[in-house]
Amino acid sequence: DIQMTQSPSSLSASLGDRVTITCRASHGITNYLAWWQQKPGRVPNLLIYAASTLQSGVPSRFTGSGSGTDFTLTITSLQPEDVATYFCQKYNSAPATFGQGTRVEI
Amino acid sequence: QVQLVESGGGVVQPGRSLSLSCAASGLTLRDYGMHWVRQAPGKGLEWVALISPDGVDKYYSDSLRGRFAISRDNSKNTLYLQMNTLTPDDTALYYCAKGPREFWSGVLIDLWGQGALVTVSS
Repeated sequence: DIQMTQSPSSLSASLGDRVTITCRASHGITNYLAWWQQKPGRVPNLLIYAASTLQSGVPSRFTGSGSGTDFTLTITSLQPEDVATYFCQKYNSAPATFGQGTRVEI
Repeated sequence: QVQLVESGGGVVQPGRSLSLSCAASGLTLRDYGMHWVRQAPGKGLEWVALISPDGVDKYYSDSLRGRFAISRDNSKNTLYLQMNTLTPDDTALYYCAKGPREFWSGVLIDLWGQGALVTVSS
């Protein structure tokens, strides 16, 4: 099965900073990559699918890129409400494996 | 209002079994593939299983195959997860989640339930 490796596991940045999270698939998944945001006690919220397509209602400061095995989630200007844990997920087929998560703090 | 509601969680002793249900309202479950995803306290998301809309095709996490079984009753608009030989490592919030109508374009989740907490403890 394809493994999803996310890095870093946590990061701390300042308001307004550019933040980058990476996700690597052990084998190619073309662009079947989603990014989820989860705040404490909340259900995961879809940010990006198809590696770079912004889900409706998600702020444009979130961008996704990549294809094949290497993907990136970027928050262009970190805001207080972005404090959360972020997960990548492959969804080309089952198993729909998640990355380990990246906790973002300010 | 479209929603998924899990039930059946609780405290169970190690080695015992437990069955979770996921009822859908505001949508016809038989039209969609359905996932189970779990999250241990303070940990990340772990994909558990997926079932096709007609219930014929089932997929499991390698680590759980053989102990967990996903099923559905489309006449009751309900999804199930049977969990056997439970261990403390199975303690988690179990989410049901809605997938696509067909899997040829991927199995993206687009709706989550609120989760059912399962605690395995003696």
